[in-house]
Amino acid sequence: EPEVTQTPSHQVTQMGQEVILRCVPISNHLYFYWYRQILGQKVEFLVSFYNNEISEKSEIFDDQFSVERPDGSNFTLKIRSTKLEDSAMYFCASSRYPSGSSYEQYFGPGTRLTVT
Amino acid sequence: GQNIDQPTEMTATEGAIVQINCTYQTSGFNGLFWYQQHAGEAPTFLSYNVLDGLEEKGRFSSFLSRSKGYSYLLLKELQMKDSASYLCAVRSGAAYSGAGSYQLTFGKGTKLSVIP
Repeated sequence: EPEVTQTPSHQVTQMGQEVILRCVPISNHLYFYWYRQILGQKVEFLVSFYNNEISEKSEIFDDQFSVERPDGSNFTLKIRSTKLEDSAMYFCASSRYPSGSSYEQYFGPGTRLTVT
Repeated sequence: GQNIDQPTEMTATEGAIVQINCTYQTSGFNGLFWYQQHAGEAPTFLSYNVLDGLEEKGRFSSFLSRSKGYSYLLLKELQMKDSASYLCAVRSGAAYSGAGSYQLTFGKGTKLSVIP
């Protein structure tokens, strides 16, 4: 069964450093998402991406964040100048279609980011 | 704004039936999803409702009342492996609209403990 993959599974970085989280969505999916989940809290939407541009972004997704689809398979989330409060599990998700149907979003296993 | 409420924790006995409720207030509605999340893992899709009524899928059923802003997830013949958090998520925006909102807004999740 096709699945979303993410690397690394765990990233430790120092405050102020840049990190890139990588995702490989399901191959025939067209819509890509990033969510985050701070330990013990709810899953929060960050950004959605379609046709090589951002479709939507939340208030969390400020200038510190950027996304990119550098080739036909990878989808990346870059966090510039990380802060302690960026420590969270980051989930990538993909879907075939965005709305008007039951096509659900498939989530990857997540990258646990720890900022020290 | 979006507000999704569900109980924080529930406990049920192996073999029993449990109902997890979710109420929501959202600006626009384009479907309600239930996800299962085991500790430290990614959310996995369980069910989807966009019209009023009951959707059944094996041991899991989900109900929606749009007029009441209410859904529930029903789990039958509980097994120990069903111990997990159950996340209610709403997709807002207009159905069948290319400009619709693609993001999912999650509740905080209900942690279900199944005991022998």
